[in-house]
Amino acid sequence: NAGVTQTPKFRILKIGQSMTLQCTQDMNHNYMYWYRQDPGMGLKLIYYSVGAGITDKGEVPNGYNVSRSTTEDFPLRLELAAPSQTSVYFCASSYSSSGAGELFFGEGSRLTVL
Amino acid sequence: AQSVTQLDSQVPVFEEAPVELRCNYSSSVSVYLFWYVQYPNQGLQLLLKYLSGSTLVKGINGFEAEFNKSQTSFHLRKPSVHISDTAEYFCAVSDAETSGSRLTFGEGTQLTVNP
Repeated sequence: NAGVTQTPKFRILKIGQSMTLQCTQDMNHNYMYWYRQDPGMGLKLIYYSVGAGITDKGEVPNGYNVSRSTTEDFPLRLELAAPSQTSVYFCASSYSSSGAGELFFGEGSRLTVL
Repeated sequence: AQSVTQLDSQVPVFEEAPVELRCNYSSSVSVYLFWYVQYPNQGLQLLLKYLSGSTLVKGINGFEAEFNKSQTSFHLRKPSVHISDTAEYFCAVSDAETSGSRLTFGEGTQLTVNP
């Protein structure tokens, strides 16, 4: 089982460039999430989706966009990269419609903006 | 809204010693509580969770946690740690009355087990 797959694992961007972080899950989960992890700050929710065609903002959505055209894919778009977006990004998915479900995480994408 | 505070950012211990990683939470509604572990250069994986029932929850790799409602705490313990337990540990809380697992994470505790 592949689980949650994120690409790329590493990327360096220049200020103002754009890119998309890809996330795919093969567990048929309806719920998908994007988090960013900064040292000493834990994980902050950027965007989430409760199913294909439905997305919503999390705690730190500014500077990002998402789409959910299929159950499997949940890409995260950075339109104008800024140094403040240097972080490790994690995609996760969940099967549960309640807050009790386990989140399954990808291995992360480390992004540096210079 | 919920919040989580992990009281120690770093915990160094020697191999085979006991360890406790402390977590306090704040919420105006009933909650579910979780501990996740992150090994170096990997994603997070679930260690254990409290949903309801017995306040002592057992997880993988010999870890356990106790839910204390009066203290609003969910501390993680292991009686004897191994070098392989070196990792970052995250406490997390979710609203038991909201659909979707929108977790709020603590800042993390780096556990380092020394020989």
